[in-house]
Amino acid sequence: AQSVTQPDIHITVSEGASLELRCNYSYGATPYLFWYVQSPGQGLQLLLKYFSGDTLVQGIKGFEAEFKRSQSSFNLRKPSVHWSDAAEYFCAVGIGGYNKLIFGAGTRLAVHP
Amino acid sequence: EADIYQTPRYLVIGTGKKITLECSQTMGHDKMYWYQQDPGMELHLIHYSYGVNSTEKGDLSSESTVSRIRTEHFPLTLESARPSHTSQYLCASSPPERGAQYFGPGTRLTVT
Repeated sequence: AQSVTQPDIHITVSEGASLELRCNYSYGATPYLFWYVQSPGQGLQLLLKYFSGDTLVQGIKGFEAEFKRSQSSFNLRKPSVHWSDAAEYFCAVGIGGYNKLIFGAGTRLAVHP
Repeated sequence: EADIYQTPRYLVIGTGKKITLECSQTMGHDKMYWYQQDPGMELHLIHYSYGVNSTEKGDLSSESTVSRIRTEHFPLTLESARPSHTSQYLCASSPPERGAQYFGPGTRLTVT
């Protein structure tokens, strides 16, 4: 069955430090992968997406993610975190012709000043 | 990006009441979705539609119903609200080709 695992429930980093959020997926075919961010009480905002081609994708707000087929991973990175990046981050895999998304449980990011 | 709207943003209602959560998008997207999300938890798909007059149940069983009479409108209805329906409900849409889903701001529902 298709699934998405985000191993880290909660991460705390200092402002200015680098960040990597982990995401592993299970899906038999070529995956379509996404990262979304959710601020408290808000909907989800698309950070970036991978459909095919270059395995390193750039997104908004200085985020990037790298698709590694051999590891079934799609980790999100940012070289220098800002206090405004504190939020919940969701990894998702798109399946089927109806663009159904399977979400991970999310990683809550806290940023220390 | 899609412009997608949800009303109300917050709703507190008593048990047994009928409620309708509104969702509208202005991008002409064929596909629309409803998700349920409990605080601090992942999203679960409860309904989706791939066009006018098409609706399907999602992965999470829900007592709610949906309709799709117009492309831009995808309302969700609870005939008789219960405390177990307390949750956040997120609406999303996506273009015809395979692509990302774009989300509305959500409706936080509390049933007392």
